[in-house]
Amino acid sequence: QVQLVQSGAEVRKPGASVKVSCKASGYTFTNFYMHWVRQAPGQGLEWMGMINPSAAGTTYAQNFQGRVTMTRDTSTSTVYMELSSLRSDDTAVYYCARGELAHPWGQGTLVTVSS
Amino acid sequence: DVVMTQSPLSLPVTLGQPASISCRSSQSLVNSVGDTYLHWFQQRPGQSPRRLIYKVSNRDSGVPDRFSGSGSGTDFTLKISRVEAEDVGVYYCMQGTHWPRTFGQGTKVEIK
Repeated sequence: QVQLVQSGAEVRKPGASVKVSCKASGYTFTNFYMHWVRQAPGQGLEWMGMINPSAAGTTYAQNFQGRVTMTRDTSTSTVYMELSSLRSDDTAVYYCARGELAHPWGQGTLVTVSS
Repeated sequence: DVVMTQSPLSLPVTLGQPASISCRSSQSLVNSVGDTYLHWFQQRPGQSPRRLIYKVSNRDSGVPDRFSGSGSGTDFTLKISRVEAEDVGVYYCMQGTHWPRTFGQGTKVEIK
C-alpha cells in the first residue's frame, strides 16, 4: 500500500537548520508531486511548497522563500525538506503529502526550536 | 492567494444528528480543464490529517458513507449525515487549483 514514512523528531537552536525526510513506498515515486505542510501547536495547516520528484522542480510558498529547500533522491524514493534560519515560531509538526490530491500524508515530524 | 473561509469554526453536535461545514473560496476553484480541486480532510486528536473527500464529492476508500461533499465554483459543503463519536476532530478544506495551495482555518467538531 502507499506509505510515507518521515524521519524522527528534531530539536534545534534558533538560527540553525533542520532537514526532514519523507520516504515513499508502494507506488512509482516519480509519478506524483510531494507537498510539505506544517502545523504549529494548536494551529491550522500551512502549505510550504512542493517538489516534482521526476524533474526536481520546486514551488515554494512566499512565506518560506529563501529559507526552504526541497530535494529528492530517486534511488531511495525519498524527499527532503530543509528549513534554515530557524526561529521559535518554526516549532511545528511538518508533514509530507503525496500528489495534487494530497493523499496519503506522512505521520509528521515534530521540529522544536528552542534556545 | 486564494482565501478559504470555513464556517462554523466550532461545531458541537449531538450523537446521531447531522452536521454541515461550509467552505468558501475567494476565487473559483474550477481549473482550465473543468476540474475542481477542493478536498476535505479530517484530523483526529494526535493524528495526521486524513483525506475524506477529493475533488468536491469523491469519497475515499474506507470513509463511511455518512460523509458527503458537494458544491461548485466557490461554495462547498461537507456533510455528516449522523455524527458518531469517532467523528470528533478538526475538519479542513483545501484548494489544489491555484498556487499557493491553501487551507481553510479548520472546523472543530465535538460532541455535545
